[in-house]
Amino acid sequence: GEDVEQSLFLSVREGDSSVINCTYTDSSSTYLYWYKQEPGAGLQLLTYIFSNMDMKQDQRLTVLLNKKDKHLSLRIADTQTGDSAIYFCAEKRGSQGNLIFGKGTKLSVKP
Amino acid sequence: NAGVTQTPKFQVLKTGQSMTLQCAQDMNHEYMSWYRQDPGMGLRLIHYSVGAGITDQGEVPNGYNVSRSTTEDFPLRLLSAAPSQTSVYFCASSRPGQGRNGYTFGSGTRLTVV
Repeated sequence: GEDVEQSLFLSVREGDSSVINCTYTDSSSTYLYWYKQEPGAGLQLLTYIFSNMDMKQDQRLTVLLNKKDKHLSLRIADTQTGDSAIYFCAEKRGSQGNLIFGKGTKLSVKP
Repeated sequence: NAGVTQTPKFQVLKTGQSMTLQCAQDMNHEYMSWYRQDPGMGLRLIHYSVGAGITDQGEVPNGYNVSRSTTEDFPLRLLSAAPSQTSVYFCASSRPGQGRNGYTFGSGTRLTVV
């Protein structure tokens, strides 16, 4: 199938905001997700957005959805060293609802 | 409150050997799936199941078999391991209609084929 695209690396300074971008492929996707993976660990669901929403805020996390451009972004405010991880964008695709993942963005937070 | 349990956590196989990666969930989730994660490739779907007795292929099914005899268990079988199957394998489950909960992932099985 077509790819979910993400940039592979992002480096920010502690206290700055981080913005991770993603483009997805299926305009009929109902849910879009952001997962976090710390080294050697499994995937942790960070947040989601339903396709009829433009924005969702959850504490330090803000998700923006542009359905016209099929663009999704995750903003982390006041980024901390503990936010260093790989962040995956995923879309729920098709009648079976399989999750299709991007390749992941490695976020490095410098003190 | 176990969630999704994968065993073993680590495994080394010789080329041509067979083995089964176990996955069990205690949340009564109908949907279960297997992914493999390779550096720079993200997670790719191997096989999935929408309920007991029903399985289907994902993006990269070759070399892998699955079965779903119960709601709780979804084992992944490698019949003749190859070095290209060296990867980290994740099992995930979800309940249809609960999209906001996403998928629950196991902690992974790191497999090396030599």
